[in-house]
Amino acid sequence: GAVVSQHPSRVICKSGTSVKIECRSLDFQATTMFWYRQFPKQSLMLMATSNEGSKATYEQGVEKDKFLINHASLTLSTLTVTSAHPEDSSFYICSAPTLQGNNEQFFGPGTRLTVL
Amino acid sequence: DAKTTQPPSMDCAEGRAANLPCNHSTISGNEYVYWYRQIHSQGPQYIIHGLKNNETNEMASLIITEDRKSSTLILPHATLRDTAVYYCIVRSSGGGADGLTFGKGTHLIIQP
Repeated sequence: GAVVSQHPSRVICKSGTSVKIECRSLDFQATTMFWYRQFPKQSLMLMATSNEGSKATYEQGVEKDKFLINHASLTLSTLTVTSAHPEDSSFYICSAPTLQGNNEQFFGPGTRLTVL
Repeated sequence: DAKTTQPPSMDCAEGRAANLPCNHSTISGNEYVYWYRQIHSQGPQYIIHGLKNNETNEMASLIITEDRKSSTLILPHATLRDTAVYYCIVRSSGGGADGLTFGKGTHLIIQP
Protein backbone atom coordinates (compact mmCIF):
# COMPACT_ATOMS: atom_id res chain seq x y z
CA GLY A 1 0.00 0.00 0.00
CA ALA A 2 0.90 3.66 -0.20
CA VAL A 3 3.30 5.08 2.36
CA VAL A 4 3.07 8.30 4.33
CA SER A 5 6.02 9.41 6.44
CA GLN A 6 6.35 11.99 9.18
CA HIS A 7 9.37 13.77 10.55
CA PRO A 8 10.36 14.01 13.29
CA SER A 9 8.88 11.04 15.09
CA ARG A 10 9.48 12.63 18.44
CA VAL A 11 10.33 16.17 19.51
CA ILE A 12 10.81 17.88 22.84
CA CYS A 13 10.89 21.66 22.94
CA LYS A 14 10.79 24.52 25.39
CA SER A 15 7.66 26.54 25.96
CA GLY A 16 7.42 29.48 23.57
CA THR A 17 9.34 27.92 20.72
CA SER A 18 7.92 26.81 17.37
CA VAL A 19 8.03 23.28 16.06
CA LYS A 20 7.65 22.13 12.45
CA ILE A 21 6.32 18.67 11.58
CA GLU A 22 6.59 17.30 8.05
CA CYS A 23 4.22 14.88 6.36
CA ARG A 24 5.25 13.28 3.09
CA SER A 25 3.47 10.94 0.70
CA LEU A 26 6.29 8.74 -0.54
CA ASP A 27 4.88 6.95 -3.55
CA PHE A 28 1.80 8.89 -4.54
CA GLN A 29 0.69 12.46 -4.95
CA ALA A 30 -1.69 14.03 -2.49
CA THR A 31 -3.44 17.27 -3.28
CA THR A 32 -5.11 16.97 0.11
CA MET A 33 -3.68 15.89 3.43
CA PHE A 34 -5.22 15.89 6.87
CA TRP A 35 -3.79 16.70 10.27
CA TYR A 36 -5.05 15.09 13.44
CA ARG A 37 -4.20 15.47 17.10
CA GLN A 38 -4.52 12.76 19.72
CA PHE A 39 -4.26 13.32 23.47
CA PRO A 40 -3.47 10.40 25.77
CA LYS A 41 -6.23 7.82 26.04
CA GLN A 42 -8.39 9.76 23.60
CA SER A 43 -9.35 9.32 19.98
CA LEU A 44 -7.95 11.17 17.00
CA MET A 45 -9.42 14.60 16.40
CA LEU A 46 -9.28 16.19 12.95
CA MET A 47 -7.53 19.56 13.16
CA ALA A 48 -7.33 20.77 9.59
CA THR A 49 -7.32 19.91 5.92
CA SER A 50 -4.19 20.82 4.02
CA ASN A 51 -4.75 21.76 0.38
CA GLU A 52 -1.94 21.90 -2.15
CA GLY A 53 -1.62 25.38 -3.58
CA SER A 54 -4.29 26.95 -1.40
CA LYS A 55 -5.09 27.77 2.20
CA ALA A 56 -5.77 25.09 4.72
CA THR A 57 -9.22 24.72 6.20
CA TYR A 58 -9.43 24.38 9.96
CA GLU A 59 -11.92 22.58 12.15
CA GLN A 60 -13.93 24.57 14.62
CA GLY A 61 -11.91 25.49 17.67
CA VAL A 62 -8.51 25.05 16.04
CA GLU A 63 -6.50 28.29 15.92
CA LYS A 64 -5.14 28.82 12.43
CA ASP A 65 -2.52 31.30 13.64
CA LYS A 66 -1.19 28.81 16.12
CA PHE A 67 -1.15 25.78 13.84
CA LEU A 68 0.30 26.95 10.56
CA ILE A 69 -0.12 24.58 7.64
CA ASN A 70 1.75 24.77 4.36
CA HIS A 71 1.14 22.33 1.50
CA ALA A 72 3.90 23.42 -0.85
CA SER A 73 4.00 20.40 -3.14
CA LEU A 74 1.96 17.34 -4.08
CA THR A 75 3.95 15.22 -1.66
CA LEU A 76 4.64 17.48 1.31
CA SER A 77 2.56 19.20 3.95
CA THR A 78 3.98 20.85 7.05
CA LEU A 79 2.37 21.70 10.35
CA THR A 80 4.08 24.35 12.47
CA VAL A 81 3.04 24.66 16.08
CA THR A 82 3.87 28.26 16.92
CA SER A 83 4.72 29.47 20.41
CA ALA A 84 4.18 26.01 21.79
CA HIS A 85 2.93 25.55 25.34
CA PRO A 86 2.66 22.43 27.50
CA GLU A 87 -1.01 22.03 26.61
CA ASP A 88 0.06 21.55 22.97
CA SER A 89 1.86 18.37 23.96
CA SER A 90 0.16 15.66 21.96
CA PHE A 91 0.50 13.02 19.26
CA TYR A 92 0.16 14.66 15.84
CA ILE A 93 -0.76 12.43 12.90
CA CYS A 94 -1.20 13.21 9.23
CA SER A 95 -3.03 11.26 6.55
CA ALA A 96 -3.51 11.38 2.81
CA PRO A 97 -6.30 9.84 0.74
CA THR A 98 -5.58 7.88 -2.40
CA LEU A 99 -8.64 9.26 -4.16
CA GLN A 100 -8.78 6.01 -6.06
CA GLY A 101 -11.02 3.03 -5.72
CA ASN A 102 -11.89 2.75 -2.06
CA ASN A 103 -10.85 6.25 -0.92
CA GLU A 104 -8.62 4.59 1.59
CA GLN A 105 -6.62 6.96 3.74
CA PHE A 106 -3.01 6.30 4.56
CA PHE A 107 -1.72 7.57 7.86
CA GLY A 108 1.74 8.63 8.89
CA PRO A 109 3.38 7.07 11.94
CA GLY A 110 2.74 10.16 14.04
CA THR A 111 4.89 12.75 15.82
CA ARG A 112 5.03 12.87 19.59
CA LEU A 113 5.40 16.50 20.72
CA THR A 114 6.36 17.27 24.29
CA VAL A 115 6.50 20.92 25.34
CA LEU A 116 8.37 21.57 28.58
CA ASP B 1 -21.41 11.10 8.37
CA ALA B 2 -23.48 8.66 10.39
CA LYS B 3 -22.53 8.05 14.00
CA THR B 4 -21.24 4.65 15.14
CA THR B 5 -21.36 2.84 18.46
CA GLN B 6 -18.78 0.29 19.55
CA PRO B 7 -18.06 -1.50 22.83
CA PRO B 8 -15.15 0.19 24.61
CA SER B 9 -13.14 -2.97 25.07
CA MET B 10 -13.02 -6.68 24.25
CA ASP B 11 -10.75 -9.59 25.08
CA CYS B 12 -10.00 -12.49 22.79
CA ALA B 13 -7.76 -15.53 23.15
CA GLU B 14 -4.83 -15.84 20.81
CA GLY B 15 -5.65 -18.07 17.85
CA ARG B 16 -9.38 -17.55 18.17
CA ALA B 17 -11.58 -15.42 15.95
CA ALA B 18 -12.13 -11.89 17.19
CA ASN B 19 -15.56 -10.49 16.37
CA LEU B 20 -15.88 -6.74 16.78
CA PRO B 21 -19.40 -5.28 16.52
CA CYS B 22 -20.40 -1.83 15.35
CA ASN B 23 -23.83 -0.20 15.33
CA HIS B 24 -24.58 2.43 12.71
CA SER B 25 -28.34 2.66 12.72
CA THR B 26 -28.46 6.08 11.01
CA ILE B 27 -26.37 5.03 8.02
CA SER B 28 -27.64 6.38 4.72
CA GLY B 29 -27.77 4.65 1.36
CA ASN B 30 -24.53 6.03 -0.07
CA GLU B 31 -22.43 5.53 3.05
CA TYR B 32 -19.80 2.84 3.37
CA VAL B 33 -18.57 1.17 6.54
CA TYR B 34 -14.80 1.50 7.02
CA TRP B 35 -12.63 -0.14 9.64
CA TYR B 36 -9.28 1.16 10.80
CA ARG B 37 -7.10 0.11 13.69
CA GLN B 38 -4.46 1.87 15.73
CA ILE B 39 -1.72 -0.01 17.45
CA HIS B 40 -0.35 1.84 20.46
CA SER B 41 1.64 4.98 19.55
CA GLN B 42 1.30 4.41 15.81
CA GLY B 43 -0.80 5.95 13.07
CA PRO B 44 -4.09 4.23 12.18
CA GLN B 45 -4.10 1.49 9.58
CA TYR B 46 -6.86 0.77 7.06
CA ILE B 47 -8.36 -2.71 7.42
CA ILE B 48 -11.39 -3.11 5.20
CA HIS B 49 -14.55 -1.41 4.00
CA GLY B 50 -17.92 -2.37 2.52
CA LEU B 51 -21.26 -1.04 1.35
CA LYS B 52 -23.77 -3.85 1.77
CA ASN B 53 -22.11 -7.08 0.72
CA ASN B 54 -19.80 -9.02 2.98
CA GLU B 55 -16.16 -8.39 2.24
CA THR B 56 -12.96 -10.32 2.90
CA ASN B 57 -9.32 -9.47 2.44
CA GLU B 58 -6.02 -10.75 3.77
CA MET B 59 -6.53 -9.02 7.10
CA ALA B 60 -10.17 -9.51 7.99
CA SER B 61 -13.77 -10.12 7.01
CA LEU B 62 -16.58 -7.61 7.24
CA ILE B 63 -20.15 -8.78 7.76
CA ILE B 64 -22.85 -6.15 7.21
CA THR B 65 -26.44 -6.90 8.22
CA GLU B 66 -29.10 -6.80 5.55
CA ASP B 67 -30.62 -3.59 6.94
CA ARG B 68 -27.07 -2.12 7.13
CA LYS B 69 -27.65 -0.87 10.64
CA SER B 70 -24.80 -2.87 12.10
CA SER B 71 -21.67 -4.71 11.07
CA THR B 72 -19.05 -7.06 12.50
CA LEU B 73 -15.35 -7.07 11.81
CA ILE B 74 -13.87 -10.55 12.06
CA LEU B 75 -10.19 -11.28 12.60
CA PRO B 76 -10.19 -15.02 11.89
CA HIS B 77 -7.12 -16.08 13.86
CA ALA B 78 -6.15 -13.33 16.25
CA THR B 79 -2.51 -12.90 17.23
CA LEU B 80 -0.92 -10.80 19.95
CA ARG B 81 -0.03 -8.23 17.30
CA ASP B 82 -3.72 -7.64 16.69
CA THR B 83 -4.01 -5.91 20.06
CA ALA B 84 -5.10 -2.40 19.09
CA VAL B 85 -7.96 0.09 19.10
CA TYR B 86 -10.37 -0.68 16.27
CA TYR B 87 -12.42 2.12 14.77
CA CYS B 88 -15.62 1.68 12.78
CA ILE B 89 -16.28 4.72 10.59
CA VAL B 90 -19.19 5.43 8.28
CA ARG B 91 -18.66 7.77 5.36
CA SER B 92 -19.83 8.35 1.83
CA SER B 93 -17.90 6.87 -1.08
CA GLY B 94 -17.10 10.34 -2.36
CA GLY B 95 -15.65 11.35 0.95
CA GLY B 96 -12.05 10.89 -0.02
CA ALA B 97 -11.48 14.61 0.27
CA ASP B 98 -12.84 14.68 3.80
CA GLY B 99 -11.04 13.95 7.03
CA LEU B 100 -12.20 11.03 9.11
CA THR B 101 -14.33 11.36 12.23
CA PHE B 102 -13.07 8.88 14.80
CA GLY B 103 -15.24 7.65 17.64
CA LYS B 104 -13.79 6.05 20.74
CA GLY B 105 -13.37 2.67 19.09
CA THR B 106 -12.97 -0.76 20.67
CA HIS B 107 -9.78 -1.63 22.50
CA LEU B 108 -9.19 -5.25 21.53
CA ILE B 109 -6.82 -7.13 23.79
CA ILE B 110 -5.54 -10.48 22.59
CA GLN B 111 -4.68 -12.73 25.50
CA PRO B 112 -1.90 -15.32 25.20
